Amino acid sequence: GQQLNQSPQSMFIQEGEDVSMNCTSSSIFNTWLWYKQDPGEGPVLLIALYKAGELTSNGRLTAQFGITRKDSFLNISASIPSDVGIYFCAGQEGQNFVFGPGTRLSVLP
Amino acid sequence: KAGVTQTPRYLIKTRGQQVTLSCSPISGHRSVSWYQQTPGQGLQFLFEYFSETQRNKGNFPGRFSGRQFSNSRSEMNVSTLELGDSALYLCASSLNRVYNEQFFGPGTRLTVL
Repeated sequence: GQQLNQSPQSMFIQEGEDVSMNCTSSSIFNTWLWYKQDPGEGPVLLIALYKAGELTSNGRLTAQFGITRKDSFLNISASIPSDVGIYFCAGQEGQNFVFGPGTRLSVLP
Repeated sequence: KAGVTQTPRYLIKTRGQQVTLSCSPISGHRSVSWYQQTPGQGLQFLFEYFSETQRNKGNFPGRFSGRQFSNSRSEMNVSTLELGDSALYLCASSLNRVYNEQFFGPGTRLTVL
């Protein structure tokens, strides 16, 4: 089946630093979604991307739909403590969504 | 607008029992998907319902089943529970086939003893 890879698996950064993470797939997707999940809660949708090359921002978050349609990137600028959590990418092909394993972000004060 | 709600939030069962989880989507959303999340396997798709019909199904045994009612509320049932069924079960709703951004509920934490 389809597989999504996310990198890095985990990262520790200082408060105020910028963060970059990415998601790659062996398949082409029509939609990319980025989610953040806090412990014990469901994932919260951050950004949705629908077109190859699309660059979308949501506050300090910026995500891009890769030109090849096989990857996507998420950047967080000027990180703050509440950015801590697990970030998931999800790709859609047809009516199915496939989720990556997540990037665990820790922010050090 | 209220978000996706799931009940119960926590559940403890023993092996061999069966369980029913409930999900109420965002008002106006007609698609409901169910996922199983475990530390080892991550988020895995169970099935999706749209207008009371199962539209997609993941690779799970027949012990996992679901249904959707005319008000778009959905239930998921797991029969003959196994230890490995312990997981966070997440429900996600989306508007329809075109606007398919999925919004998740808080999940039901199922523990099988």
